[in-house]
Amino acid sequence: SQQGEEDPQALSIQEGENATMNCSYKTSINNLQWYRQNSGRGLVHLILIRSNEREKHSGRLRVTLDTSKKSSSLLITASRAADTASYFCATDALQAGTALIFGKGTTLSVSS
Amino acid sequence: GAVVSQHPSWVICKSGTSVKIECRSLDFQATTMFWYRQFPKQSLMLMATSNEGSKATYEQGVEKDKFLINHASLTLSTLTVTSAHPEDSSFYICSARDYGRLYEQYFGPGTRLTVT
Repeated sequence: SQQGEEDPQALSIQEGENATMNCSYKTSINNLQWYRQNSGRGLVHLILIRSNEREKHSGRLRVTLDTSKKSSSLLITASRAADTASYFCATDALQAGTALIFGKGTTLSVSS
Repeated sequence: GAVVSQHPSWVICKSGTSVKIECRSLDFQATTMFWYRQFPKQSLMLMATSNEGSKATYEQGVEKDKFLINHASLTLSTLTVTSAHPEDSSFYICSARDYGRLYEQYFGPGTRLTVT
């Protein structure tokens, strides 16, 4: 099962530009997480935002969460070629026996 | 954070054979582990929830007789792909919740399965 759509599906930008990705979900959550995945590799955890938080920052990353709209956004500022990857949001009900559910992902391509 | 390992990291097998993938929680006990499958250019899809000492719970559309899951101990879950076919070629990722760390979920590095 998947939570919902990520928007856009693909994004191409130049180095130095900002990249914004959006994620929508369907169910109640305890937290929402963003992951990065380089082609053919494992997941890298980027940031976690709890349901009672509205915004969180980590380095060049800024995440917002709107639980009334069941949506989140990930902003990467001053992008670099090394940011080229797929980005996934994942929702967590944080209950025993329940798994993280992933969105469909956004493929980001940053050209130098 | 906690560490989850997978073995092997990649495997190539012939059509019709079976392949076993191991998932271990290295520094915590995991009563529940999860198996995901990821096809090229797609997202992670939850296949099944593995419960220590009991039967796994499979997501709709996942064949339980084809994907055998055994969670025999608190640190090890195995996924066996039986009678593998080329369409089973995928990236398989396991994860586990660490109840000692407020139920946070940690992911293994994944196993690339190619069936020829």
